[in-house]
Amino acid sequence: AQSVTQPDIHITVSEGASLELRCNYSYGATPYLFWYVQSPGQGLQLLLKYFSGDTLVQGIKGFEAEFKRSQSSFNLRKPSVHWSDAAEYFCAVGTGTASKLTFGTGTRLQVTL
Amino acid sequence: DAGITQSPRYKITETGRQVTLMCHQTWSHSYMFWYRQDLGHGLRLIYYSAAADITDKGEVPDGYVVSRSKTENFPLTLESATRSQTSVYFCASSERTNTDTQYFGPGTRLTVL
Repeated sequence: AQSVTQPDIHITVSEGASLELRCNYSYGATPYLFWYVQSPGQGLQLLLKYFSGDTLVQGIKGFEAEFKRSQSSFNLRKPSVHWSDAAEYFCAVGTGTASKLTFGTGTRLQVTL
Repeated sequence: DAGITQSPRYKITETGRQVTLMCHQTWSHSYMFWYRQDLGHGLRLIYYSAAADITDKGEVPDGYVVSRSKTENFPLTLESATRSQTSVYFCASSERTNTDTQYFGPGTRLTVL
């Protein structure tokens, strides 16, 4: 069965600084990978997804993620964080054989002004 | 365009009572999902449905019942609520499979006393 690890429970960055959120997955074949964001009191919104092809994926709100098969990673990055990016971020993995996703435990991002 | 809605948004109940959480989507998506979100666990899949009258268990199905008589509705019932079922419940839908984006509702915060 697939699994997802987000090693950082909580990260604090200053506004304007760069951001990288880590995600590691476990799955034998090529996975489908997703990043979702959850603002306080809200549901989850898709930031970006990787299925195949170019390993650098662009998403909404200026986010990008890079799939690295050799490291089983799909880290989320943003070059300059805005205060409105404060939220919880979830990495998720899906497989071609099951119609469901497995989510990581999330990373809470705090942005200081 | 309402998208995906959940009701109620907040619910307090007592141990042993039956509770039904409602989920409605206006897109005619084939797939619908129920997740629970708990601190330290991220999102865990309870049940999902590939189409009307087709449902399957997720990671944590015990104590829950689902039905899907119409494509647009996917109610989740706690037949005899327990304190361990205190959580935030999210409904989601996707057009075809896990390779499609899942769209999440705003969530229902359930407290079992």
